[in-house]
Amino acid sequence: QVQLQESGPGLVKPSEPLSLSCTVSGDSVSNVRYYWSWIRQSPGKGLEWIGNVYYSGSTNYNPSFKGRVTVSIDRSMNQFSLILKSVTAADTAVYYCARDSGDLGSWGQGTLVTVS
Amino acid sequence: IVLTQSPGTLSLSPGDRATLSCRASESITSSHLAWYQQKPGQAPRLLIFAASIRATGIPDRFRASGSGTDFTLTINRLEPEDFAVYYCQQYHTSLRTFGQGTTVAI
Repeated sequence: QVQLQESGPGLVKPSEPLSLSCTVSGDSVSNVRYYWSWIRQSPGKGLEWIGNVYYSGSTNYNPSFKGRVTVSIDRSMNQFSLILKSVTAADTAVYYCARDSGDLGSWGQGTLVTVS
Repeated sequence: IVLTQSPGTLSLSPGDRATLSCRASESITSSHLAWYQQKPGQAPRLLIFAASIRATGIPDRFRASGSGTDFTLTINRLEPEDFAVYYCQQYHTSLRTFGQGTTVAI
């Protein structure tokens, strides 16, 4: 049974980068069946897909982030990561990682990142 | 692809049937649509994939259908644990998008 766990700072200053990692257990990020996605949810709001990465390192991003986002994969650590640059208060959200086969079948518990 | 869910809120009672709609701005071929349930303080849980296939462990009171641009999630005989927010999500394109959610409230 796959498990995903987000980690990273819970507080980020405005204009600085937000950096999160997702550690995967019970599966390999090298599994060719899956992408690995990041999703966020601002307080009281809906779900917003940020981007994903494939085992090969190829990525897809939500255009609304206007080039601020980078998702990468570390196959040796069985992790994937998110960097969001130049954050503002609007980037305050719960950030989730998920295993992506198109549908998002397995999710981490989420981590709250506050920009202040 | 923009997904529009309706209604925004459904106020129902246990035992009722809930009908949730998800409309896409363009046709989603191959039925690449999923539904999720989210309860307060929890991560979303996959209910349905491929427009109509229940994920593992999802009770059969959850039924989904649709194709093209119009999709429906029906919850028969609402149980107390079904009161939550429901999201649709498309994966027809490499850029995933979610609907804005429907709250099923008591």
